[in-house]
Amino acid sequence: NAGVTQTPKFRVLKTGQSMTLLCAQDMNHEYMYWYRQDPGMGLRLIHYSVGEGTTAKGEVPDGYNVSRLKKQNFLLGLESAAPSQTSVYFCASRENNQPQHFGDGTRLSIL
Amino acid sequence: QQQVKQSPQSLIVQKGGISIINCAYENTAFDYFPWYQQFPGKGPALLIAIRPDVSEKKEGRFTISFNKSAKQFSLHIMDSQPGDSATYFCAATSIQTSGSRLTFGEGTQLTVNP
Repeated sequence: NAGVTQTPKFRVLKTGQSMTLLCAQDMNHEYMYWYRQDPGMGLRLIHYSVGEGTTAKGEVPDGYNVSRLKKQNFLLGLESAAPSQTSVYFCASRENNQPQHFGDGTRLSIL
Repeated sequence: QQQVKQSPQSLIVQKGGISIINCAYENTAFDYFPWYQQFPGKGPALLIAIRPDVSEKKEGRFTISFNKSAKQFSLHIMDSQPGDSATYFCAATSIQTSGSRLTFGEGTQLTVNP
């Protein structure tokens, strides 16, 4: 039982490059979330999903896109990476009325 | 804007002492208040949570105190241990909102000296 798995764990990009972060959960959870964590700012919600095929904007969605084609996977895309998107990205999932379970993060640096 | 304000930003406590972290919220619709603990290189993990119908919840050495009228809640760690050294986040949500999205505080880095 792996819980929430994030891929990759580390990545360095150049400005303007694109990439996709993958979040996979094996708990059959309906809800999934993408956050970014920056020093002194806590975790801020980027996008979330309340079920397969659904997505919605969070607090800081600009510059990111997401897809939830399969219930177990939630993908976060950066179409044209900017230095301001250097951060640690966390994925979480939960079942109804249960707490969120977090992955161990993806550390992304954009030069 | 930050709807959940957390203080202090960092905290140093001696082993055996009491660690206290405070949070204040603005949105009166919030009805679930969890605390998360995060170790370096790991994701946050739920520590303890409270709903506003009670003023205190205790689990082992960890206690949440909740003041609904003041819109404040705090985490107390009794008999703090070096293993408690981590970053702590308070959070809040309304169960009724879409996705029950969490709003996090800024985080407190706790160091417990041996």
